[in-house]
Amino acid sequence: EAGVAQSPRYKIIEKRQSVAFWCNPISGHATLYWYQQILGQGPKLLIQFQNNGVVDDSQLPKDRFSAERLKGVDSTLKIQPAKLEDSAVYLCASSPLIEAFFGQGTRLTVV
Amino acid sequence: DQQVKQNSPSLSVQEGRISILNCDYTNSMFDYFLWYKKYPAEGPTFLISISSIKDKNEDGRFTVFLNKSAKHLSLHIVPSQPGDSAVYFCAADAGGTSYGRLTFGQGTILTVHP
Repeated sequence: EAGVAQSPRYKIIEKRQSVAFWCNPISGHATLYWYQQILGQGPKLLIQFQNNGVVDDSQLPKDRFSAERLKGVDSTLKIQPAKLEDSAVYLCASSPLIEAFFGQGTRLTVV
Repeated sequence: DQQVKQNSPSLSVQEGRISILNCDYTNSMFDYFLWYKKYPAEGPTFLISISSIKDKNEDGRFTVFLNKSAKHLSLHIVPSQPGDSAVYFCAADAGGTSYGRLTFGQGTILTVHP
């Protein structure tokens, strides 16, 4: 069974630039999550989708972050404009129930 | 407010001995708990879980214990192997309308020495 695919693996951008991350979940998983993991901390949930609808985005900084899940499959997370404090690993996960299966993540460095 | 806490940033254990990783939580609405393992440059991998209706769950060398009254859970690895060296995250789910939304601890770096 193929796992959660994310791209790119690494991204370096200057502050105030834009960036987008892509995620392809495990086939058949209705629930998709985006987490942000800052160095030395545990992952923090940004947004949860059920199929193509948003279930929870209460921790998403909506002034600069946006996410969509077209057709209930792939998802993109965008940051515009980026700030230095956005430097982190962005993890996508999908789930059939409670246990989430994570991708390898995208390491974003904002300079 | 850190609702899930792993107070030990690191743990060092000799191969063959027991590793005990601890986790405390404050939210009494949490009713399902999970442990994840993370290797460098990889995403977290699900290890083992426990429902709040149980106090113990075992899977091979891994056992999770839950003490609801103390709001404490622990992961025991016996015997520890060098390949177990990784960062271990405790996570909790509140169920209900928060179903599937995991709150993670800060992680504990486990090093198993040969």
